[in-house]
Amino acid sequence: QSVLTQAPSASGTPGQRVAVSCSGSSSNIGSNYVYWYQQLPGTAPKLLIYRNSQRPSGVPDRFSGSKSGTSASLAISGLRSEDEADYYCAAWDDSLSVYVFGTGTEVTVL
Amino acid sequence: EVQLVESGGGLVQPGGSLRLSCAASEFTVRDKYMSWVRQAPGKGLDWVAVIYGGGSTFYADSVKGRFTISRDNSKNTLYLQINSLGPEDAAVYYCTSGGSLGSLDYWGQGTPVTVSS
Repeated sequence: QSVLTQAPSASGTPGQRVAVSCSGSSSNIGSNYVYWYQQLPGTAPKLLIYRNSQRPSGVPDRFSGSKSGTSASLAISGLRSEDEADYYCAAWDDSLSVYVFGTGTEVTVL
Repeated sequence: EVQLVESGGGLVQPGGSLRLSCAASEFTVRDKYMSWVRQAPGKGLDWVAVIYGGGSTFYADSVKGRFTISRDNSKNTLYLQINSLGPEDAAVYYCTSGGSLGSLDYWGQGTPVTVSS
């Protein structure tokens, strides 16, 4: 039930800045917090950003989140090889009364 | 350290049933928003259901009427009863906990469910 849209892939060289976007609607991103999850290959997802822009303890400040209207963005600055992963945005949807994930973006470090 | 340990996955025939369990430690499940999220092989994350601290439950449309989320406070364990399994339900099922609606703070390692005759 993916109602949040993400580009399937993004890439950058070590040290570069990469942005991952997430597009939704007024009933999800437009009216609720956005969360970002990182899934390293072969592992369970992990909370990366909560409440649009907050980082849990232990998450490097290279990761930052923002939200504007019905879209959100995750930025990774100073890209490192260990950042190669799938990244998912998510939000509660008030109209559907469900939690919706984005389609996911695979980030590759060239 | 917060831990979520899922169990109960396995191979089930189409139309069959299964009960997944998620044992929690270092926190109380009744105080959190507890969810199940699944991921089919090679696919993205798919939210399944949530149970609030007060006991309210919500489900994805794709599982409504077939899946039931519940918890046993005395065992500090979350459950997911899965009935009428179809090929589309084959996935790794993750248990998650959060301090607020929408925040999946902690994740278990997942338990795989395979649907095949």
